[in-house]
Amino acid sequence: DAGVIQSPRHEVTEMGQEVTLRCKPISGHNSLFWYRQTMMRGLELLIYFNNNVPIDDSGMPEDRFSAKMPNASFSTLKIQPSEPRDSAVYFCASSVQGRESGKLFFGSGTQLSVL
Amino acid sequence: AQSVAQPEDQVNVAEGNPLTVKCTYSVSGNPYLFWYVQYPNRGLQFLLKYITGDNLVKGSYGFEAEFNKSQTSFHLKKPSALVSDSALYFCAVRDLNTDKLIFGTGTRLQVFP
Repeated sequence: DAGVIQSPRHEVTEMGQEVTLRCKPISGHNSLFWYRQTMMRGLELLIYFNNNVPIDDSGMPEDRFSAKMPNASFSTLKIQPSEPRDSAVYFCASSVQGRESGKLFFGSGTQLSVL
Repeated sequence: AQSVAQPEDQVNVAEGNPLTVKCTYSVSGNPYLFWYVQYPNRGLQFLLKYITGDNLVKGSYGFEAEFNKSQTSFHLKKPSALVSDSALYFCAVRDLNTDKLIFGTGTRLQVFP
């Protein structure tokens, strides 16, 4: 299995532009998580889905952020418009709900730089 | 609310010496605790978990963790450190009602040759 796949690996954009981050979870996993990592705030959970349904989006910073999971094999995190303070590494992770809950498999992340 | 604390930003240890990375937790009910490791430019990797049972949990790469209910701690340990163990280590607790993992602030482990 290729693991959790995120794209792009790096994204550099200008303030005000729309940014879309993509994630393909591991096949058979039914929970998907979006995290953001910065030096100042550490690792923050933005949103998570279970069986493609958003369960908790309380970590989404503001209305500029939105996430979708149209099917079990794909999710997007969109920032519109982007701001310099959104610069961070964004991770997607997936897991199997149940006894193995909490054992997350992370992608390699998207390094976002907003100029 | 569930939370974990990692009191040390960095731990330095010489190769071959035992290492300990500290974690304390605050939960209502029985804790589900985890350790993850992050190497440079990579996502986090699962090391081990405690749900119930033996207080000493063994995980990947020779790591183990000791659950101590009276001290509300879940310290990560390894008998003999390797330079390749140098990385960022995160303790985490699972929310009892959801699949959410709440991570600590991380501890950077530096193993010197």
